[in-house]
Amino acid sequence: QLQLQESGPGLVKPSETLSLTCTVSGGSISSSSGYWGWIRQPPGKGLEWIGSSYYSGSTQYNPSLKSRVTISVDTSRNQFSLRLSSVTAADTAVYYCARHGRPGDSWFDPWGQGTLVTVSS
Amino acid sequence: QSVLTQPPSVSGAPGQRVTISCTGSSSNIGAGYDVHWYQQLPGTAPKVLIYGKSNRPSGVPDRFSDSKSGTSASLAITGLQAEDEADYYCQSYDSSLSGHYVFGTGTKVTVL
Repeated sequence: QLQLQESGPGLVKPSETLSLTCTVSGGSISSSSGYWGWIRQPPGKGLEWIGSSYYSGSTQYNPSLKSRVTISVDTSRNQFSLRLSSVTAADTAVYYCARHGRPGDSWFDPWGQGTLVTVSS
Repeated sequence: QSVLTQPPSVSGAPGQRVTISCTGSSSNIGAGYDVHWYQQLPGTAPKVLIYGKSNRPSGVPDRFSDSKSGTSASLAITGLQAEDEADYYCQSYDSSLSGHYVFGTGTKVTVL
């Protein structure tokens, strides 16, 4: 079955750019029914959708993060990536990648196991 | 920032029924978008519990059910069990600002 796995640095300095990759296995990222998203969860807090991308490159971002976020898809590697610029301590969180259906009435499933990113000097 | 409001916590004794509310607005739940529910066990990623029109993935017992009315939705757990102790989140879609996904604030369920 479809599995997702996040990877990337666990520590990022303030003002720098956070970069994470999600590797998809058990299926093709180019599936016509799949959109690929990032969600984060600060320690002890709730879930926040960051943004999503279709394999064609069409993207949708959380309005509150839009100016700092870029999500891209690499179909040759079956991966998609997150870049979040100008990070601060408020960006410290567990970052999850997940698949969802067409924007609108879709849910996130499956999820990766998550990776903790700490923003600190 | 969450735009779906849930109670921070609910609790119940084993065997009891508990409900978790999820309150939104006219641009998300009230606009007719589906509400989905996730269970997050400690230290693990969320897993979908109920999706679409009250569908449960295989393996999710029918003790879990949902409902929706107006700008709110709710999750009910009947026959509460110790293994149900977890955080629960609702999720929907919001049509404002070019459209975006929204999660609830989360509810901790404690089995007494």
